[in-house]
Amino acid sequence: GAVVSQHPSRVICKSGTSVKIECRSLDFQATTMFWYRQFPKQSLMLMATSNEGSKATYEQGVEKDKFLINHASLTLSTLTVTSAHPEDSSFYICSASRVWETQYFGPGTRLLVL
Amino acid sequence: ELKVEQNPLFLSMQEGKNYTIYCNYSTTSDRLYWYRQDPGKSLESLFVLLSNGAVKQEGRLMASLDTKARLSTLHITAAVHDLSATYFCAVDPRGSSNTGKLIFGQGTTLQVKP
Repeated sequence: GAVVSQHPSRVICKSGTSVKIECRSLDFQATTMFWYRQFPKQSLMLMATSNEGSKATYEQGVEKDKFLINHASLTLSTLTVTSAHPEDSSFYICSASRVWETQYFGPGTRLLVL
Repeated sequence: ELKVEQNPLFLSMQEGKNYTIYCNYSTTSDRLYWYRQDPGKSLESLFVLLSNGAVKQEGRLMASLDTKARLSTLHITAAVHDLSATYFCAVDPRGSSNTGKLIFGQGTTLQVKP
């Protein structure tokens, strides 16, 4: 099956700093990438949908100025959490798909903001 | 607003027993997915159900889809400890929007006891 990687797998940062998370599709070109966050013992919540070369579409309630998404190529999308605060601590998972195909999920990035 | 509801949310069962997890959704959909998540890990794809009446089986797990009832089931046969995990269903409300995004159920945490 298709492989999606995320980097870093775990990050600890101080409050107020920005953190960038990368999502790569390793063996296919992804027309669309999705970003989810998951709090402990909760489900996955879609944050935004990203198509290569265009602006991301954010879900209601997600601050686009706080969670910057860039999808510069068909194999790479980045999520930058700007001015992170402890409440942003979460498990962030990306997924990638080709048109009309299933999503392939990355291994996730655990963010802890102190 | 599309809602996806799983039942039960927590399930503790003995090894060797059978049980069913239910996934109800509130709007029409042509794709339903089942995923497994182990603690601290990302999602592992189990099944993709694409049409009414679809049934898929892998080992001790069997998934089915009834699009008229907007219901999918995940049946566990003769449970073993290795099946302990959280199981999510997710619906693709593709329709005319064609976004490909997924809406997840709350998850069912399965604990199989020896």
